[in-house]
Amino acid sequence: AQSVTQPDIHITVSEGASLELRCNYSYGATPYLFWYVQSPGQGLQLLLKYFSGDTLVQGIKGFEAEFKRSQSSFNLRKPSVHWSDAAEYFCAVGSGNTGKLIFGQGTTLQVKP
Amino acid sequence: DAGVIQSPRHEVTEMGQEVTLRCKPISGHNSLFWYRQTMMRGLELLIYFNNNVPIDDSGMPEDRFSAKMPNASFSTLKIQPSEPRDSAVYFCASSFKENQPQHFGDGTRLSIL
Repeated sequence: AQSVTQPDIHITVSEGASLELRCNYSYGATPYLFWYVQSPGQGLQLLLKYFSGDTLVQGIKGFEAEFKRSQSSFNLRKPSVHWSDAAEYFCAVGSGNTGKLIFGQGTTLQVKP
Repeated sequence: DAGVIQSPRHEVTEMGQEVTLRCKPISGHNSLFWYRQTMMRGLELLIYFNNNVPIDDSGMPEDRFSAKMPNASFSTLKIQPSEPRDSAVYFCASSFKENQPQHFGDGTRLSIL
């Protein structure tokens, strides 16, 4: 069965520091992978997606993620975090055949001034 | 461009009452998804439609929940009768095709007293 694990429930980083949020997935075939961000009281916004091709994908707001098949990982990175990046981040996995997405439990990012 | 529009944004009602949540997907999107978000269970897919037809309703918790999509621009999620454990944030999302990135509405925060 498909599953997504985000090992870190809560992460705190200082503004200007680099960020890496971890995501591990379980899926039998080549997955479609997504990162979404959710600010309080709002819906989820797509940051980036991986369908195929280059394993390093660029997204909005300066985020990037790297697909590593051997590690079943799709970690999200940003070189320098801004206070406005404080939010909850969700990794999700889907198949190419259906619309069904499985979401991780989310990682809450707090940014210290 | 208008995004996914959900109404109402907040709903407070007493247990036993019927609750109807509404969603207008992005124009031109052929797939529509209903999710429920709680602290305990995270983000769960309840049901999704493709071209107005329900494709997967395996996430619908029980018969008290029903969803319809009478046309390409409108969908409803109904709970009858409602129970306190149905309290959650319900999100609607749409995508151009089933396996394309999903765009989320801002959600309906439902409280059943």
